[in-house]
Amino acid sequence: GQNIDQPTEMTATEGAIVQINCTYQTSGFNGLFWYQQHAGEAPTFLSYNVLDGLEEKGRFSSFLSRSKGYSYLLLKELQMKDSASYLCAPMDSNYQLIWGAGTKLIIKP
Amino acid sequence: DVKVTQSSRYLVKRTGEKVFLECVQDMDHENMFWYRQDPGLGLRLIYFSYDVKMKEKGDIPEGYSVSREKKERFSLILESASTNQTSMYLCASSPTSELNTGELFFGEGSRLTVL
Repeated sequence: GQNIDQPTEMTATEGAIVQINCTYQTSGFNGLFWYQQHAGEAPTFLSYNVLDGLEEKGRFSSFLSRSKGYSYLLLKELQMKDSASYLCAPMDSNYQLIWGAGTKLIIKP
Repeated sequence: DVKVTQSSRYLVKRTGEKVFLECVQDMDHENMFWYRQDPGLGLRLIYFSYDVKMKEKGDIPEGYSVSREKKERFSLILESASTNQTSMYLCASSPTSELNTGELFFGEGSRLTVL
């Protein structure tokens, strides 16, 4: 079956760095997405990885290891506005996104 | 900017009522999707459409139907609402092109409560 595993909740301090891990098992693989979702709002796109390695985009970076079925999202210089849920979503062989339940990130001053 | 608009942010309906959730996108995207999102669960795909008048079942189509008569509009229909359909419903669209990574553009969501 297809399965996504990411921590339910994490807490970090403003200005610090946090890494949100995601492991996945899918039928085929066509890349992996990370989305951010603030409470009561729609998800918004953060990153897409299809090849192994690190993709950096400002304060956010995303890493992928296809052989390990593993990805992480790295957030640097945390700001209070980064408090949100972060959704890991690999794309299977049918080009359908398989969604994790999300990691709720709480930022404390 | 891509805009996906859902007709209602909040709805309250009674068991057995017919419910229409409308979604319109303004970027000429071929693909449109309906998801529901419940606490502690990932987004679950209800139905999707790759073209006008075309529809495909997602993971949880039971109790729902859809309509895509025009490219920009994708409607979700609950023929007879039940309390277990109380949820947040999210519409999304994406283009079909060789350059497309599959990124989805979401509407603001419609929170449906069935009493």
